[in-house]
Amino acid sequence: GQQVMQIPQYQHVQEGEDFTTYCNSSTTLSNIQWYKQRPGGHPVFLIQLVKSGEVKKQKRLTFQFGEAKKNSSLHITATQTTDVGTYFCAGRLGNEKLTFGTGTRLTIIP
Amino acid sequence: GAGVSQSPSNKVTEKGKDVELRCDPISGHTALYWYRQSLGQGLEFLIYFQGNSAPDKSGLPSDRFSAERTGGSVSTLTIQRTQQEDSAVYLCASSLGHEREQYFGPGTRLTVT
Repeated sequence: GQQVMQIPQYQHVQEGEDFTTYCNSSTTLSNIQWYKQRPGGHPVFLIQLVKSGEVKKQKRLTFQFGEAKKNSSLHITATQTTDVGTYFCAGRLGNEKLTFGTGTRLTIIP
Repeated sequence: GAGVSQSPSNKVTEKGKDVELRCDPISGHTALYWYRQSLGQGLEFLIYFQGNSAPDKSGLPSDRFSAERTGGSVSTLTIQRTQQEDSAVYLCASSLGHEREQYFGPGTRLTVT
């Protein structure tokens, strides 16, 4: 079945440093979504990417969808303590259900 | 408007007892999902509803788990003869359509003693 892996599993960064998490699928995806889960909270939708090579920005967050639509990345510039949490990608193959990635837990060192 | 709500927020039960978890999706959302999340882990898909039917039940761990949705709205997840390994946070999500973004509820934390 479809698998979606994320690396790294954990990332500790100094406040102000950049952060990137990578998402890789074993199959070509029709679209990919990103979610953020704060500690003790529930996942919250951030963005959806649909087109090959698509790049979208939300303030300090930059999302990319690979040309082959098999990988994606989330880059945060100049991290802040509010960025703490686990970031999940979720990919869909055709009309199948969304498959969530393993997540990357980001902690910030003040 | 109101988001996805789940009840109870916490449930402690003895091994062997049955539990029912409830999810109230956002009004008008036709798709509803149940996930399970163990401490510090990712999201484990359980079941998906489109309207009242469940096209995908592939994630239900065993026949002790069942779910239903009535009136295209409220859903209940039932776990029979609970086991300690069932302890987790059970998350419900809804969306306008299967291809749209999912809105998650706050979850039910289930502890089986």
